[in-house]
Amino acid sequence: EVQLVESGGGVVKPGGSLRLSCEGSGFPFRDYTMNWVRRAPGKGLEWVSSISSGSTYKQYADSVKGRFIISRDNARDSLYLQMNSLRAEDTAVYYCARQWNFWGKGTTVTVSP
Amino acid sequence: QPVLTQPPSSSASPGESARLTCTLPSDINVGSYSIWWFRQKPGSPPRYLLYYNSDSDKGQGSGVPSRFSGSKDASANAGVLLISGLQSEDEADYYCMIWPTTGWVFGGGTKLTVL
Repeated sequence: EVQLVESGGGVVKPGGSLRLSCEGSGFPFRDYTMNWVRRAPGKGLEWVSSISSGSTYKQYADSVKGRFIISRDNARDSLYLQMNSLRAEDTAVYYCARQWNFWGKGTTVTVSP
Repeated sequence: QPVLTQPPSSSASPGESARLTCTLPSDINVGSYSIWWFRQKPGSPPRYLLYYNSDSDKGQGSGVPSRFSGSKDASANAGVLLISGLQSEDEADYYCMIWPTTGWVFGGGTKLTVL
């Protein structure tokens, strides 16, 4: 059974940092492009970042470029999102997605003083 | 990044069809893009429904019934998600998405109400 499990969310003050993780199982993780998508309260889906299977290609939304870093460890079947200089507008549920056909349940990030 | 425009809301009755649109800005041609569609219900993650580029280049998500189909309306420069035989469980938020090479872009979403 394909599973993606996000973790690492929490409450952090503006300017702080968090590292999200997404562990995959039930499929050959190393073969897939992986993505992070978020949904802020009362808003729609927003693509955050993507990473190719071998980490060669990484892309970021303009809203997070220079603050967030995507990475992966194929030996650990894991995807990461290092989030720095967090702002209130980064408050959202963060989902990881395998290419686009399977999504995790999400982890909640709240940026608040 | 381009802005994809989706009507904020739509409604239809059980058994009817719902036609949800995703309009691309005038400076990009819908004919050049695959349109991806997702559904999200409250408290659940998004679910991939399908993608549509042309009748010979399309894909359906695993377990997604054939009553969900995609198309393009070139005259409106829009992608279209057609849901036939509406069921109460289809009530959800629906999102379109494209990849204009600089990064993925989601539409603002349409809240579909099944009356």
